[in-house]
Amino acid sequence: QQPVQSPQAVILREGEDAVINCSSSKALYSVHWYRQKHGEAPVFLMILLKGGEQKGHEKISASFNEKKQQSSLYLTASQLSYSGTYFCGTERWAGNNRKLIWGLGTSLAVNP
Amino acid sequence: EPEVTQTPSHQVTQMGQEVILRCVPISNHLYFYWYRQILGQKVEFLVSFYNNEISEKSEIFDDQFSVERPDGSNFTLKIRSTKLEDSAMYFCASMREGGARTDTQYFGPGTRLTVL
Repeated sequence: QQPVQSPQAVILREGEDAVINCSSSKALYSVHWYRQKHGEAPVFLMILLKGGEQKGHEKISASFNEKKQQSSLYLTASQLSYSGTYFCGTERWAGNNRKLIWGLGTSLAVNP
Repeated sequence: EPEVTQTPSHQVTQMGQEVILRCVPISNHLYFYWYRQILGQKVEFLVSFYNNEISEKSEIFDDQFSVERPDGSNFTLKIRSTKLEDSAMYFCASMREGGARTDTQYFGPGTRLTVL
């Protein structure tokens, strides 16, 4: 039920690109992406809704492939400030309760 | 921009003591959550709260835990008798409503709980 993120960790040099994947064994309706810096709270980046749309936040964009039940987060021309752990969350509804099921996270380190 | 606030930022307590962690969600939000994160590990769901009652709780949320919305603004997490393994960062989150697909959860800065 928990989405699977890959890779588990990425090390980049400033300016390089990376892709982080989030896939689910269950049908996806939306995927929420967050970034968490060490010692801080997760910060919302964007939501992807089913329909294969792409969204952007700074130089970070994401796509949602409904058929593959997967979302990918694209970080282009990475900056030092992109370092952190990226989590994806998939939705689960049960009555009035809406819950995010979190992946284990992908640790991203951007070095000068 | 409205934000979720949490107090205290750091709480140190002795094993067996009771602690209350406080959260003020964003004012027009209806759904409230508590998560915890043990150092170096993933964020773990504890409980969700809607319409003045618990919507769902995880296996972690045993009888030692309780939540309350004592007034129109605060949302509290109480741990009755703390254990060493309760040491973690506790995050509160809130969401405006559950109906819109574009709603998401906004997190507070967290309370670091250290049980000695």
